Amino acid sequence: AAGVIQSPRHLIKEKRETATLKCYPIPRHDTVYWYQQGPGQDPQFLISFYEKMQSDKGSIPDRFSAQQFSDYHSELNMSSLELGDSALYFCASSLMLGLGTDTQYFGPGTRLTVL
Amino acid sequence: AQSVTQLGSHVSVSEGALVLLRCNYSSSVPPYLFWYVQYPNQGLQLLLKYTSAATLVKGINGFEAEFKKSETSFHLTKPSAHMSDAAEYFCAVNTGNQFYFGTGTSLTVIP
Repeated sequence: AAGVIQSPRHLIKEKRETATLKCYPIPRHDTVYWYQQGPGQDPQFLISFYEKMQSDKGSIPDRFSAQQFSDYHSELNMSSLELGDSALYFCASSLMLGLGTDTQYFGPGTRLTVL
Repeated sequence: AQSVTQLGSHVSVSEGALVLLRCNYSSSVPPYLFWYVQYPNQGLQLLLKYTSAATLVKGINGFEAEFKKSETSFHLTKPSAHMSDAAEYFCAVNTGNQFYFGTGTSLTVIP
């Protein structure tokens, strides 16, 4: 079965640079979520999109922005990178049933290292 | 605020022994609860989920979890640990808008 695809899998950037992470949800899934997982930490919710509209916002820094495109893929744009942005970034997708029972399926993550 | 608490950040069991990973949730309404497993340098894989159906939920790899409303718990168990079970386990609750993850429990299996 098709899974969530994230690219790139690894990314190395310098401080103050920008980065773009891409997420391709499972086919027919309409909702995308972004999470940040620091070393030894639990995933922290950043932002989500439903039908190309932002549906919820978590602890996403102002330096970050995201959007969902017409083909439902999503991109997380990160600017003015800081050392503390080094983390594993996960994308998850789900089919919004509106009942709270929606299961989120996670991609393999993008490991961002800021030097 | 909706949250989940995982007791024990590290659990060690012998191969073949019972695995018990604890998760308690705080909520005034029945939540939707999930267990995910994360192997090193990999994404989160769904183990099982509770969605107000049967209170005993069976998942993949021989894991199961029992929803106990009176105890606000959703502990994960497996009768016999296997070396391949060594990983990080996350309990999560879906409030309808967001997933909230516990801080994770690292399971070590001793041969």
